[in-house]
Amino acid sequence: GAVVSQHPSRVICKSGTSVKIECRSLDFQATTMFWYRQFPKQSLMLMATSNEGSKATYEQGVEKDKFLINHASLTLSTLTVTSAHPEDSSFYICSAREGLRGEKLFFGSGTQLSVL
Amino acid sequence: LAKTTQPISMDSYEGQEVNITCSHNNIATNDYITWYQQFPSQGPRFIIQGYKTKVTNEVASLFIPADRKSSTLSLPRVSLSDTAVYYCLAGGGNKLTFGTGTQLKVEL
Repeated sequence: GAVVSQHPSRVICKSGTSVKIECRSLDFQATTMFWYRQFPKQSLMLMATSNEGSKATYEQGVEKDKFLINHASLTLSTLTVTSAHPEDSSFYICSAREGLRGEKLFFGSGTQLSVL
Repeated sequence: LAKTTQPISMDSYEGQEVNITCSHNNIATNDYITWYQQFPSQGPRFIIQGYKTKVTNEVASLFIPADRKSSTLSLPRVSLSDTAVYYCLAGGGNKLTFGTGTQLKVEL
């Protein structure tokens, strides 16, 4: 199956710093990628939809200036958590849709962000 | 996007068949039904996808009745390593929204 690589897997940072998370589709082109966050023992919550070459579409309640998404190529999307604070600590997961094979989503391994 | 309803949790023993049913009453004509498995601190993993009737792959079967308002994921002969959260999604288009999922616990 298709492979989505997410990096880093874990990051610890001080409050006020920015953190960038990368999501790459390794063997297919992903015109659309999605970013989720997940709190312990909860389901995945969609944050935004990232389309190659255009602005991301954010879900209601997600601050676009806080969570910057860039999808500059068909294989790479990045999520930058700007001026991170402890409440931003969460598990962030990206996914990519392989449109030619139906509506399947393939997910990265996730990034555990801990803000001190 | 069709809202999905699943049991919050299920328990089973090794070697048994597990069936997890998902309700998606408002499924649209173009929606596919997809199941994912998630282990702690990992991204969800695709298990199986279907549109109608029955689909089978090397790890699971998916049963979808004619009205498509529900679906059942069948895991044959589960093992301890199948302990995970299983998500049913019914959707299409540009995004898929996750419901609460079913925590499956397999014991010896």
